[in-house]
Amino acid sequence: AQKVTQAQTEISVVEKEDVTLDCVYETRDTTYYLFWYKQPPSGELVFLIRRNSFDEQNEISGRYSWNFQKSTSSFNFTITASQVVDSAVYFCALTPYSSASKIIFGSGTRLSIRP
Amino acid sequence: DTGVSQDPRHKITKRGQNVTFRCDPISEHNRLYWYRQTLGQGPEFLTYFQNEAQLEKSRLLSDRFSAERPKGSFSTLEIQRTEQGDSAMYLCASSPQGSVETQYFGPGTRLLVL
Repeated sequence: AQKVTQAQTEISVVEKEDVTLDCVYETRDTTYYLFWYKQPPSGELVFLIRRNSFDEQNEISGRYSWNFQKSTSSFNFTITASQVVDSAVYFCALTPYSSASKIIFGSGTRLSIRP
Repeated sequence: DTGVSQDPRHKITKRGQNVTFRCDPISEHNRLYWYRQTLGQGPEFLTYFQNEAQLEKSRLLSDRFSAERPKGSFSTLEIQRTEQGDSAMYLCASSPQGSVETQYFGPGTRLLVL
């Protein structure tokens, strides 16, 4: 199977708290790409990050960081010192090399940051 | 640099009517994709074009759906004889040509079939 599981349907935290969004994926391919997208209330999907399966180095971009672990097939996303503007639905996604034309999305995690 | 644009942003129609959506990709991107997103779910792949050629179609794309990209620039997605189950957000994305390129999404067209 080729799929992405985001077990957390909704998360609500108070502003300035750290929050981690979980993502677990399944694929038969040894070469694949992982993504995170943000969907604010306006509806547009905003690209956040892309990793390939050969690069397990964790990445930090400002308050955002990503932890990729092939051993557990996970690609988790952490927001440090959350802000109200971070409120959105976040999607983890997978593109297996054998299906390079399409993105397989998880069902998303709705993140609410309370002031 | 303008992003992907879609028109209209919202469409309300009655069951049985035909609707057409338009997508204008990022100008230098030669790949264009259509996805459908229902409430509470992630987007699902429908079809994709490389230039004017439609190279892949999902089983989700029934005979009532047709997509075109006649000159390799903008694309249209038509739904004939709409059904209430067609109510969803229709998202368009584009990417440069390459083995696996990041797809950039437009704002979507939200369709409501009454």
